[in-house]
Amino acid sequence: SQQGEEDPQALSIQEGENATMNCSYKTSINNLQWYRQNSGRGLVHLILIRSNEREKHSGRLRVTLDTSKKSSSLLITASRAADTASYFCATDLNTGFQKLVFGTGTRLLVSP
Amino acid sequence: DTAVSQTPKYLVTQMGNDKSIKCEQNLGHDTMYWYKQDSKKFLKIMFSYNNKELIINETVPNRFSPKSPDKAHLNLHINSLELGDSAVYFCASRLGPGTAHQVGPYQETQYFGPGTRLLVL
Repeated sequence: SQQGEEDPQALSIQEGENATMNCSYKTSINNLQWYRQNSGRGLVHLILIRSNEREKHSGRLRVTLDTSKKSSSLLITASRAADTASYFCATDLNTGFQKLVFGTGTRLLVSP
Repeated sequence: DTAVSQTPKYLVTQMGNDKSIKCEQNLGHDTMYWYKQDSKKFLKIMFSYNNKELIINETVPNRFSPKSPDKAHLNLHINSLELGDSAVYFCASRLGPGTAHQVGPYQETQYFGPGTRLLVL
């Protein structure tokens, strides 16, 4: 079965609010990555966190990783209408060759 | 200056036909992938090539055959198309291991193409 389950499936907020998305996975990983997909487009890499890291920041993005709970969260602060997209976590399994297993995605809608 | 490009962008065809999707990357990456995204947005890896060598082959029907003529290109040929093949197919590439570049997130990031929307009627 798929590796990543994301929660919530959909999130609707107002501009300026924070958005938090969660990802759970099942097996040990090398790293976990978050990608963004705008409607009708390909995925764009946002941030990568390694299995020995607990938190990373990139601009308005904050990612946490709890390997004991096999979960990660993506926080987007001070959201903008342009942040409207689907967000996917992807786990890089410990299998030698990189094989990303994607979560189910969270659809974020940011209203002006 | 498209990094990862796919052709065609849209493909509408009849059941039973054979079709190909092409992917090219100009990033100098070693590794390329094909993914299938279904109507529920679930993205699943199909194949991966590293320097023209097949390294990942998921449980995909034999009707799907990838081909990598060189490390900048990875094509996907689909025989005897079925209704269930309707999906968006994404190509991606990654710098991959075995290069002189620094080891870091850049090496492990995948760069996706815009997708090919396949509709089988």
